[in-house]
Amino acid sequence: EVQVVETGGGLSQPGGSLRLSCAASGFTVSTNYMSWVRQAPGKGLEWVSVIYSDGRTYYADSVKGRFTISRDNSKNTVYLQMNRLRAEDTAVYYCAREEVETTMVWYFDLWGRGILVTVSS
Amino acid sequence: SSEVTQDPAVSVALGQTVRITCQGDSLRNYYASWYQQKPGQAPILVIYGKNNRPSGIPDRFSGSSSGNTASLTITGAQAEDEADYYCNCRDSSGNQRVFGGGTKLTVL
Repeated sequence: EVQVVETGGGLSQPGGSLRLSCAASGFTVSTNYMSWVRQAPGKGLEWVSVIYSDGRTYYADSVKGRFTISRDNSKNTVYLQMNRLRAEDTAVYYCAREEVETTMVWYFDLWGRGILVTVSS
Repeated sequence: SSEVTQDPAVSVALGQTVRITCQGDSLRNYYASWYQQKPGQAPILVIYGKNNRPSGIPDRFSGSSSGNTASLTITGAQAEDEADYYCNCRDSSGNQRVFGGGTKLTVL
């Protein structure tokens, strides 16, 4: 079955760190674009970060310098290292696969169920 | 990064047609993709590209684009279509992604 499963969420104090994992099955993360998307309670979707198949990484301005996306090809897993966490980082974090058909046509075609991250003292 | 904007809420009578729009400068260069999200669930892709539906999405869902505006149309809305809908696009750099604020669709 083609799926992604997020783990690693939980409670962190402000200023703390957490690492999220996104384990993929049925496809290879290293040949796809993989993103993290988050949703604060009662709010809309916010794109967080992407790792391209060639290894390039990009971040939303709100997390740049604090979050790092990476992958382990041997484990077919993508990670999101979150440092210097803030209360406003509290959200459900989704891992999503991006399908890129052309430079104009691309989309998130596979989503995980999401994992809750709570930042609170 | 660029922004894309959506109306916060739209309502439609059962069986009628509704259009949900998304506006932003990046939409002149990139097609939007559209996602449906029901409470407590992950988003699912409903429209991508010029007007493409993934397998399993009913053909009452369609998409279009003109200038800086992308639209999602539901022709003959059903009760199960009540959900939040989000558009997504790349920003002007092409490397960041941007979601619209979402549109809450109510089927009356």
